[in-house]
Amino acid sequence: KNEVEQSPQNLTAQEGEFITINCSYSVGISALHWLQQHPGGGIVSLFMLSSGKKKHGRLIATINIQEKHSSLHITASHPRDSAVYICAVNTGNQFYFGTGTSLTVIP
Amino acid sequence: KAGVTQTPRYLIKTRGQQVTLSCSPISGHRSVSWYQQTPGQGLQFLFEYFSETQRNKGNFPGRFSGRQFSNSRSEMNVSTLELGDSALYLCASSLGLESGHRETQYFGPGTRLLVL
Repeated sequence: KNEVEQSPQNLTAQEGEFITINCSYSVGISALHWLQQHPGGGIVSLFMLSSGKKKHGRLIATINIQEKHSSLHITASHPRDSAVYICAVNTGNQFYFGTGTSLTVIP
Repeated sequence: KAGVTQTPRYLIKTRGQQVTLSCSPISGHRSVSWYQQTPGQGLQFLFEYFSETQRNKGNFPGRFSGRQFSNSRSEMNVSTLELGDSALYLCASSLGLESGHRETQYFGPGTRLLVL
């Protein structure tokens, strides 16, 4: 049983396209994180959400607590956005991760 | 401000041995969390330390342990290594004002452990 499900698993987009990555979870949470992992392993925290919507540059993250769903949007995608995007949820004393969405943006 | 550092970056051990990994958090951060990443299981939470005390713990056997020092540096230890312990071990630090990962996590580059 996976507490966190992400879709799609793999995504290929043309430069400039609008991209959406989805995350659904089955547990009660106090916060949801979106992480970015580049080849070589380094992880960067993009957003932490407990409600509503956050925006940083071309990235937008939304969360619907009632529906237990979050989305990560990338506007005007660029090849440097190519990475694995991971959704993670905090239940208070546990931290569960999705399996990640591998994004490739083609010039 | 220096980021999170982890040492060593790469390590090769044999089954049955033990290993100690080190993590130095960002200056001023008091919470350190450890994670294991494998191709099969993905990222999994090991434990979180705050003020030298384990605050939260994931579902790993007792062979995995950790500690935190008064300067917030943390170590994790794996005893009696198994082949399945081969993984990327990541640590992350945060301010520690909130418990349970309700803060932005800053990740280190990881230690890649290979068990032969």
